[in-house]
Amino acid sequence: NAGVTQTPKFQVLKTGQSMTLQCAQDMNHNSMYWYRQDPGMGLRLIYYSASEGTTDKGEVPNGYNVSRLNKREFSLRLESAAPSQTSVYFCASSGARGYYEQYFGPGTRLTVT
Amino acid sequence: GENVEQHPSTLSVQEGDSAVIKCTYSDSASNYFPWYKQELGKGPQLIIDIRSNVGEKKDQRIAVTLNKTAKHFSLHITETQPEDSAVYFCAVREGGSYIPTFGRGTSLIVHP
Repeated sequence: NAGVTQTPKFQVLKTGQSMTLQCAQDMNHNSMYWYRQDPGMGLRLIYYSASEGTTDKGEVPNGYNVSRLNKREFSLRLESAAPSQTSVYFCASSGARGYYEQYFGPGTRLTVT
Repeated sequence: GENVEQHPSTLSVQEGDSAVIKCTYSDSASNYFPWYKQELGKGPQLIIDIRSNVGEKKDQRIAVTLNKTAKHFSLHITETQPEDSAVYFCAVREGGSYIPTFGRGTSLIVHP
């Protein structure tokens, strides 16, 4: 099992450019999440998908859109990148609501100039 | 919503010492408390968790204690080793929720 995979690992964008971060999991998990991590701020939830076909906003959704393509894949799109979106982005998945642990991907380091 | 405070933000210890990281939370309905370890350049990984019907849980050199009355829980690492150096996050989750709330993290540095 590869667990949670993310592409790309690194990306540099100019202000105003768009891009999609890809995430896939092979654990048959129902729920998937996108977080951003900034120094001193911990992990902040951008969007989540409780199950295939549903998506909901998290704490910091502005400037982002998501697509739950199927049970395995959950993508994050930046339509018009801004320097404030410079961050490390993590995708995670979990089995279901309740006690199940989250499994995190290796992250995408994004720089917007 | 839930508010999680984690202390200290940085912890420096000598190899072989113990390390303790504490988190407090606000929502009495929270009942699942995981701890994650994040090594440099990697994603967080669960190292231990505890549920509200248990006061303490151990796994080799790490342990977690929970005080539901006072709404705090702590991670204890004994006989620290350099490979324990990492950022540690606590999290709090209400059993019916999809969304955990994370603390801001503690950078643990173990000096050889």
